[in-house]
Amino acid sequence: AQKVTQAQTEISVVEKEDVTLDCVYETRDTTYYLFWYKQPPSGELVFLIRRNSFDEQNEISGRYSWNFQKSTSSFNFTITASQVVDSAVYFCALSDPGYSTLTFGKGTMLLVSP
Amino acid sequence: KAGVTQTPRYLIKTRGQQVTLSCSPISGHRSVSWYQQTPGQGLQFLFEYFSETQRNKGNFPGRFSGRQFSNSRSEMNVSTLELGDSALYLCASSLEGQLGDTQYFGPGTRLTVL
Repeated sequence: AQKVTQAQTEISVVEKEDVTLDCVYETRDTTYYLFWYKQPPSGELVFLIRRNSFDEQNEISGRYSWNFQKSTSSFNFTITASQVVDSAVYFCALSDPGYSTLTFGKGTMLLVSP
Repeated sequence: KAGVTQTPRYLIKTRGQQVTLSCSPISGHRSVSWYQQTPGQGLQFLFEYFSETQRNKGNFPGRFSGRQFSNSRSEMNVSTLELGDSALYLCASSLEGQLGDTQYFGPGTRLTVL
């Protein structure tokens, strides 16, 4: 069965600190996709990144970076120099076999204080 | 391009009533999925529609149903509401609903059952 574990329920940092959100997944599929979404207080899930199982290159987008390690089934997300606007719940998700639907982790609430 | 829209944004119902939620996907997207989000269970997949057909279904009772119209708009219906149905219901659309397609989410409908 598919499973996504985000062990960190809540993280609090002070602005400008770096923070890493952990994601560990389980799947029997050899072809799969991993995603990160951000959910601000407004409720809408905002897509951040998609990574397929054959592409283990790390990715950087501005202050955001992602580290995909197939050997440890992890897809971690780092925010460099965090800002108050980064405060939100972040979800890691795994594609369901054959479909675009997703299995989500429980989410990590990130609180960035000034 | 307009994003995914959901109506209404908020609903208050009483136990035993039924409710219909509506979702309009991004123009050109043919797959629509529905998710339920609660504090206890997190984000859970309800069902997915493509070309007016339900292709995939999560583990929810038959009180939860949906449909998709020829213009890809979708509705979900919950009959005989229970207190536990109080949740944020999120709709997501993707191009074809295939493995790897990115799902884009709407702002959600917050349902409160009294």
